[in-house]
Amino acid sequence: QKEVEQNSGPLSVPEGAIASLNCTYSDRGSQSFFWYRQYSGKSPELIMFIYSNGDKEDGRFTAQLNKASQYVSLLIRDSQPSDSATYLCAVRGNDMRFGAGTRLTVKP
Amino acid sequence: EAGVVQSPRYKIIEKKQPVAFWCNPISGHNTLYWYLQNLGQGPELLIRYENEEAVDDSQLPKDRFSAERLKGVDSTLKIQPAELGDSAVYLCASSLQGSYNEQFFGPGTRLTVL
Repeated sequence: QKEVEQNSGPLSVPEGAIASLNCTYSDRGSQSFFWYRQYSGKSPELIMFIYSNGDKEDGRFTAQLNKASQYVSLLIRDSQPSDSATYLCAVRGNDMRFGAGTRLTVKP
Repeated sequence: EAGVVQSPRYKIIEKKQPVAFWCNPISGHNTLYWYLQNLGQGPELLIRYENEEAVDDSQLPKDRFSAERLKGVDSTLKIQPAELGDSAVYLCASSLQGSYNEQFFGPGTRLTVL
């Protein structure tokens, strides 16, 4: 079992729709949870981090954390073609573990 | 503010040759990370420095990989000898001391081993 699992996608949504990206993790002692966006050929950039159960909103992005279910998600509202990228979930326990990423395509 | 700088951006070498990558973190960032990213995978931590001390190198293949951060600023990652399976992107990141909260990644070095 991988420590951080994501659906590889591709996930395709129309412009203006809500994109929902999911991530599960195996280490119950994990403390912090991160979402990174990575455009093709570029390095990852941090979108959001969340520590506590519940929702955290930042503009069009909402991160959701459920530690009991070991589940973290990212919602992107009003998706734009510029949101097309690979989204990496990262989980911090004793170190930082990344998922393999979900490729998102937003179609105009 | 300048971001994380890495060089070279691309490197092509033959197997069994040595190779070195250089990273200059964001000014004031005491924590420096080296990651390896294979195509279609997320970054995998190789080593983390707090100032000049390597605090986590458990994932670094020490038979062929070495790293240093002598003055607590710049860092060099070396592979000797390189193998075909080492072809990947090597990412350097930095953050404020003791914090994984906001890692800033450099552009990476794409290594191809022939």
